[in-house]
Amino acid sequence: QSALTQPASVSGSPGQSITIFCTGTSSDVGGYNYVSWYQQHPGKAPKLMIYEVSNRPSGVSDRFSGSKSGHTASLTISGLQAEDEADYYCSSYTSTGTLVVFGGGTELTVL
Amino acid sequence: EVQLVESGGGLVQPGGSLRLSCAASGFTFSSYEMNWVRQAPGKGLEWVSYISSSGSTIYYADSVKGRFTISRDNAKNSLYLQMNDLRAEDTAVYYCARDSLEWYFDLWGRGTLVSVSS
Repeated sequence: QSALTQPASVSGSPGQSITIFCTGTSSDVGGYNYVSWYQQHPGKAPKLMIYEVSNRPSGVSDRFSGSKSGHTASLTISGLQAEDEADYYCSSYTSTGTLVVFGGGTELTVL
Repeated sequence: EVQLVESGGGLVQPGGSLRLSCAASGFTFSSYEMNWVRQAPGKGLEWVSYISSSGSTIYYADSVKGRFTISRDNAKNSLYLQMNDLRAEDTAVYYCARDSLEWYFDLWGRGTLVSVSS
């Protein structure tokens, strides 16, 4: 069982917006602004999409945005495109000793 | 080109050992903290180990503590993971990942597959 909780799957139609939630505790998501999100296409390495809750690395589309409220972080993808179909993982620093924890991943399907 | 390239994976019997390598290029390797992250087949990501830029600070996940050793050679722009007493549950793709200093990984290698089976 992963330390951070994500839905197993979400789906949306092209052009729509979807949000993926990532729930943790006060030891990780709720206690620090070190939440990041990664996109992973099948057979490929993860790619950083959001860091420190809401920051986008250079080159990442502004259709991707992140936020946090309490112990729950969220990734929103607006204007869904076919190329967004992938697995998405949230991650956070944790004070529990593991240092970094990931969510179980969410499979995004673009209908 | 800025990149990380892992090597050293393969099939090993339970109780065996492997040494993974990660070659860095296109950036000042010695300035960055590094990590190993693994992904079991069909499963999610799991952080494995961290090493500071100088190599003086090291951390491990509980699942590998005492069996895995992370190290680096800044002169060779290389990161390593020595894996001993391997178990079936260590079967995974192992990625090296560059650390940002703020607990996110901004550059990943393509990974190397480690399979532990008799």
